[in-house]
Amino acid sequence: GAGVSQSPSNKVTEKGKDVELRCDPISGHTALYWYRQSLGQGLEFLIYFQGNSAPDKSGLPSDRFSAERTGGSVSTLTIQRTQQEDSAVYLCASSLERGAAYEQYFGPGTRLTVT
Amino acid sequence: AQSVTQLDSQVPVFEEAPVELRCNYSSSVSVYLFWYVQYPNQGLQLLLKYLSGSTLVKGINGFEAEFNKSQTSFHLRKPSVHISDTAEYFCAVNTNQGGKLIFGQGTELSVKP
Repeated sequence: GAGVSQSPSNKVTEKGKDVELRCDPISGHTALYWYRQSLGQGLEFLIYFQGNSAPDKSGLPSDRFSAERTGGSVSTLTIQRTQQEDSAVYLCASSLERGAAYEQYFGPGTRLTVT
Repeated sequence: AQSVTQLDSQVPVFEEAPVELRCNYSSSVSVYLFWYVQYPNQGLQLLLKYLSGSTLVKGINGFEAEFNKSQTSFHLRKPSVHISDTAEYFCAVNTNQGGKLIFGQGTELSVKP
């Protein structure tokens, strides 16, 4: 079946602009995660959603970052007033359920470049 | 809190040689351990995981890892590497609460002919 998809694959934006990154998880997966991969920081957790529970936002680096998940499926990560340090690859993952026994399947990522 | 340390940022090796990629973790609670591989310009793919049971875990592409609780290590090994194994490898931990993975900084494996 289809894996996790993300769009766009690449995004170049000017400093100060807002961007939206989209993630389509595997159908039927109740848990959805966002991570960021950057040269200086490696792979960092940002936020995750599990069913109808309140999301765990503990990894969001500032209040410029927000995410939502509509209808328990598609998720959008929004970065407001982008800064150059936001340049990174943003990875989305989904799993059947929350829990370490459930494999997280990763999408190909969105490469964000802030100029 | 949990943390993961991958001791080598880069590992060059010749084709058909054995390789070990080192991973140590720190945690005050029981953890579950994972190795992911990232090929150039691709997403992360699970190689193997340790949840419980036998401490020697076999994964895809001939890789295996051994969980050593006393050493807090989970080193990844392959007895004979191929050019196609060239990639970045990430060690990660999770807890029985699930949720976020905590990743190491990654090890770039470069297999040369």
